Amino acid sequence: TQLLEQSPQFLSIQEGENLTVYCNSSSVFSSLQWYRQEPGEGPVLLVTVVTGGEVKKLKRLTFQFGDARKDSSLHITAAQPGDTGLYLCAGAGGTYKYIFGTGTRLKVLA
Amino acid sequence: EPEVTQTPSHQVTQMGQEVILRCVPISNHLYFYWYRQILGQKVEFLVSFYNNEISEKSEIFDDQFSVERPDGSNFTLKIRSTKLEDSAMYFCASSVIIGPGSGNTIYFGEGSWLTVV
Repeated sequence: TQLLEQSPQFLSIQEGENLTVYCNSSSVFSSLQWYRQEPGEGPVLLVTVVTGGEVKKLKRLTFQFGDARKDSSLHITAAQPGDTGLYLCAGAGGTYKYIFGTGTRLKVLA
Repeated sequence: EPEVTQTPSHQVTQMGQEVILRCVPISNHLYFYWYRQILGQKVEFLVSFYNNEISEKSEIFDDQFSVERPDGSNFTLKIRSTKLEDSAMYFCASSVIIGPGSGNTIYFGEGSWLTVV
């Protein structure tokens, strides 16, 4: 069974601080996506990483796919209250599905 | 921007009743998915559908569940006899042509919140 563990589960930080969220597995994934989900809404895709070692940047967010394609990280620089939400990683668990991680709930305090 | 739309947004049903959740995937997409998220838990894969048949399903997707593409635009999830533990947010999703194995983007709807009482 493919599992994706995210850490930390919960994170509460002050505006302006930096943070990193981790997504780890013992399985290899052909690609990995990061989503952000607001309460009562569906996940919204932030980025897809495909190549081992790949780094992608989206404004203040930096995503990295591990060299072995078993893990990924999301780094947020100078967090803002608008970054508050549930961050989910999801790995391609085969041709026809994504396996979602356990989620990291981030709260950024003004 | 094209989006996946789902109806109803919220449904309350009695245990044992049949429920049909509806989805309109993005028009040029060919792969369709249902996921669910029990309150406070992670998003779980239920089923993927391509070319009018199930491509893959999880152990959650037992005989009580079925999916159908009754016409060219709708994609439905039916739960035959609902149980209390079926209470969850159900998300429909779609992707263009190739499944997620190649890094293809899947787009999620806003979800249908099902409450079984």
